[in-house]
Parts: sequence; structure tokens; C-alpha cells
Amino acid sequence: NAGVTQTPKFRVLKTGQSMTLLCAQDMNHEYMYWYRQDPGMGLRLIHYSVGEGTTAKGEVPDGYNVSRLKKQNFLLGLESAAPSQTSVYFCASSYSRSENNYGYTFGSGTRLTVV
Amino acid sequence: EDQVTQSPEALRLQEGESSSLNCSYTVSGLRGLFWYRQDPGKGPEFLFTLYSAGEEKEKERLKATLTKKESFLHITAPKPEDSATYLCAVQVNSGGSNYKLTFGKGTLLTVNP
Repeated sequence: NAGVTQTPKFRVLKTGQSMTLLCAQDMNHEYMYWYRQDPGMGLRLIHYSVGEGTTAKGEVPDGYNVSRLKKQNFLLGLESAAPSQTSVYFCASSYSRSENNYGYTFGSGTRLTVV
Repeated sequence: EDQVTQSPEALRLQEGESSSLNCSYTVSGLRGLFWYRQDPGKGPEFLFTLYSAGEEKEKERLKATLTKKESFLHITAPKPEDSATYLCAVQVNSGGSNYKLTFGKGTLLTVNP
């Protein structure tokens, strides 16, 4: 049982390049999330999805797009990377039922540097 | 706006020296409060969920408590392997089946041998 898997683990981009971060979960979770974590800022929600084919904006969505074509996958895209998007990106997933005692299950993160 | 504030930002303890971490919150309606542990280079790992004031949960040397305004994570006789960043997060009652978590900035705990 792998839980939440993120690829790639590390990436260096040049300003203006594009890339897609992939998140895959094998727990049959309904909800999936993308967060970024920056020093002194904590975890901030970028986008989230409450089910296959649905997405919604979080706290800091500008410059990012997402897609949830399959229940198990949640993709985060950067169309034109900027240095301000240098961060560690975490994907997470959770159950949707009310007995959600475990919060999120997180992936191990993607460390992205934009130069 | 929902707010979560953790204190202190950093805490350095000697092995065996008990202490507490604080998480204060201002939310419109608390559904649950979560504690996570995060080791360097890894994603946060779930520790506890608390739902109502007065509730307590324990795991090894950790005990989490909840009041109407704050939560404490008590660490009894810590060991160096307890060194990590501890994150607090709140889940609020919203109109839909929305399970977003709002995180605090964390407390970096270092336990020296």
C-alpha cells in the first residue's frame, strides 16, 4: 500500500518553462489537495478536488492549474514558471465521509526550484 | 477568516525535559483539530484528531488536549527522536461537504541528548 505518491521528487525549471506535477493515491480517497510549503508561511492550499472531474481554487491558486481526470490522480500544472513558485509542493488526499478521523494523508513532496 | 497560530516557533529541550506546544485558533465553527508531525524532507504525518473541548488523546510520549480556543500538545520525557516540526490544523464546518484544513506555521522541536 503506497499511500500518496508524488513525482518528480525534485525539479529545476527556468523562468517561463512549464511542467506538471503528478499525484497518485491508492486509498480510494474522494478528496485530493495540492499545498505549497514555504519557510515562515506554513502550508497553503493551492487547489483541491472533491471528486473525479471536479476542481476548486484554494488560498493561492494564481499561476497554477489542476486536473482530476481519474479518481486516483491529481495533476498540478505550471504553465509559465516564475521564481516566486520556488517551493515544496505537497499533495494530500482524504475521505469524504463524516467519520474523517485521520485528516489528510500526505505525499513526500516535490521540491521545485525556478531559476 | 479562519486563523491558526502556533507557539513557540521553535523549542529546544533536553532529553527528559517535558514541555507543551500551543495551537490557538479562531474559526467560525470547529469541526476538528488535527496534529501532524513533519520530519525534514518528508510530508506531514498524522498524529491526532480532536473534536470537542475537553477531549484528550495520547500516543506514546505525546498527549493532545483541546479547549474552545486552543489545543496543547504535551510532550512527556522527550527523546531525540521526537525532534521534528509539529503542525496544527483546523477543519471548519462549512455549507458543503468540504474538508479543507487550515494549517498553522508549526513549531520546530529539537530534543538534545
